Amino acid sequence: NAGVMQNPRHLVRRRGQEARLRCSPMKGHSHVYWYRQLPEEGLKFMVYLQKENIIDESGMPKERFSAEFPKEGPSILRIQQVVRGDSAAYFCASSYDSYEQYFGPGTRLTVT
Amino acid sequence: KNQVEQSPQSLIILEGKNCTLQCNYTVSPFSNLRWYKQDTGRGPVSLTIMTFSENTKSNGRYTATLDADTKQSSLHITASQLSDSASYICVTLNTGFQKLVFGTGTRLLVSP
Repeated sequence: NAGVMQNPRHLVRRRGQEARLRCSPMKGHSHVYWYRQLPEEGLKFMVYLQKENIIDESGMPKERFSAEFPKEGPSILRIQQVVRGDSAAYFCASSYDSYEQYFGPGTRLTVT
Repeated sequence: KNQVEQSPQSLIILEGKNCTLQCNYTVSPFSNLRWYKQDTGRGPVSLTIMTFSENTKSNGRYTATLDADTKQSSLHITASQLSDSASYICVTLNTGFQKLVFGTGTRLLVSP
């Protein structure tokens, strides 16, 4: 059983471009969470999704950021018109029952 | 002020020695407390999950303790190995918002 997969592992974008981060949860998991980790800081919750539904997006900036978890395919975190402050590691976690969360390896976004 | 405070920020110990990492939390209402290990460039991996009714829990050479009255937890590592070099993150679950709240971690370096 493969773990949580995230791609790309590293992403470089110029200011103003769009970034798309993908997360494939573990087999059988229908809960997906996205977290952001800034340098020297702890992980911060962004959004919690179940298949086709956003359950809690209270940690996600209201502008430029969106997330989806379609019926088929991976969960996508989309950042439009990236700025330097978006540079961070973005982690996805999946869960079978919203209790134990299993984390992916992360995507490191660098905005130049 | 972070709701989960960890100390020390960083720690260097010799291989084979023991060490104890501390965590104080103010998250309320509180459901459970978790310790994660995060290797450089990787996602966090769960070591232990403790509910408020549990005082201690072990996972191999890792032993976590929890005092729900004083809102303190510790992670004790015995007979350290080079592979223990990582960040150790204390995480609580805020029952009210069903969110994980992360500390900033303790960076442990085990030197030969």
